[in-house]
Amino acid sequence: DTEVTQTPKHLVMGMTNKKSLKCEQHMGHRAMYWYKQKAKKPPELMFVYSYEKLSINESVPSRFSPECPNSSLLNLHLHALQPEDSALYLCASSQENLQPSYNSPLHFGNGTRLTVT
Amino acid sequence: SQELEQSPQSLIVQEGKNLTINCTSSKTLYGLYWYKQKYGEGLIFLMMLQKGGEEKSHEKITAKLDEKKQQSSLHITASQPSHAGIYLCGAAGVMDSNYQLIWGAGTKLIIKP
Repeated sequence: DTEVTQTPKHLVMGMTNKKSLKCEQHMGHRAMYWYKQKAKKPPELMFVYSYEKLSINESVPSRFSPECPNSSLLNLHLHALQPEDSALYLCASSQENLQPSYNSPLHFGNGTRLTVT
Repeated sequence: SQELEQSPQSLIVQEGKNLTINCTSSKTLYGLYWYKQKYGEGLIFLMMLQKGGEEKSHEKITAKLDEKKQQSSLHITASQPSHAGIYLCGAAGVMDSNYQLIWGAGTKLIIKP
């Protein structure tokens, strides 16, 4: 069982809907990540929170809005998405933000399968 | 920017046989991670390598990092159906001025019974 919990597991939403993805970890990790993964591709980094502050935003469209209420929780708010946003959204955490001398791996949740109709 | 090349892209192996997956970096690797992913699920951390010549094993999976720290191999001995999935290598690197995990394209492993 993964130590990073993501809900919901599946989500179908229309282009005018507002929904949120949730992620929770209780490993005391101080960095949390959102990744987007399309079929047969590696994960693409979207956002990184380090010590509850947004440290990396990989030029993600504003229809995706991350939020880190506390060190254990990470949300991704979705609004006015497009069908091409359909993908597997993965949350991950690590002890600290990734550095070249970093020696703690990312722990991933099982993802939310998002379908935009 | 750093790039990781994985080979082969896909692999079909008879159950019980050994196999090797390679990951080659365009730059020196400071940390090399191996993950496994089942379809539609999250990534499972397998092993992390940092030092040149380092080798780690977990059950029937062994990963090595070469002395020059630019290539890693993942070797599975006596493969089982549970080994099927996509294997991804990742490396700590710089992309768009940010430190982050750079991924290989993945190797899809199918085990034939």
